[in-house]
Amino acid sequence: DGGITQSPKYLFRKEGQNVTLSCEQNLNHDAMYWYRQDPGQGLRLIYYSQIVNDFQKGDIAEGYSVSREKKESFPLTVTSAQKNPTAFYLCATAGGDYEQYFGPGTRLTVT
Amino acid sequence: DQQVKQNSPSLSVQEGRISILNCDYTNSMFDYFLWYKKYPAEGPTFLISISSIKDKNEDGRFTVFLNKSAKHLSLHIVPSQPGDSAVYFCAATFVRSGYALNFGKGTSLLVTP
Repeated sequence: DGGITQSPKYLFRKEGQNVTLSCEQNLNHDAMYWYRQDPGQGLRLIYYSQIVNDFQKGDIAEGYSVSREKKESFPLTVTSAQKNPTAFYLCATAGGDYEQYFGPGTRLTVT
Repeated sequence: DQQVKQNSPSLSVQEGRISILNCDYTNSMFDYFLWYKKYPAEGPTFLISISSIKDKNEDGRFTVFLNKSAKHLSLHIVPSQPGDSAVYFCAATFVRSGYALNFGKGTSLLVTP
């Protein structure tokens, strides 16, 4: 069953803790992206990776970190330095052109 | 700095009529424009796209029009159906950005029976 998997669907953390969000794909896509969505807002780019072992910061990378050790996986770590981490996080992939396909998202709540 | 703008937060249309969703952009470097449909707590679903070298692209009930001189695009849905009710996001990208998408804030479409 091909697609993009994000787990878990809902995640709760205490303030001051780092948390890692998972994104896995079996579409054999080279490019992967992380976005966040806040209520009433569009999606904003956090990080992206066009190839294994390489990634670039997006518009709101502060307080986040990523790794791309495998083509299939692009985990996002939300660190304690991120001032407003509560949001809906979306992972996307693209197979060599501009059309991106999104996973189901992870809702992170930090209290 | 919002490079893609959707100035209508919401739109209500009767079933069977045309829905027109609008989008404006400021960056002349954008090569491609996309429309996504999104339900709450779900990932966006790709609908239709258009290249900057075209002025129209059609796929079934969905047509996107691009006016480069006005930096404006629109999504037409004909005929509108109740299942079309969702939030629609306009997005734009260019090659040198790694095809990272710039999104508008979305327009919530309600199609009433």
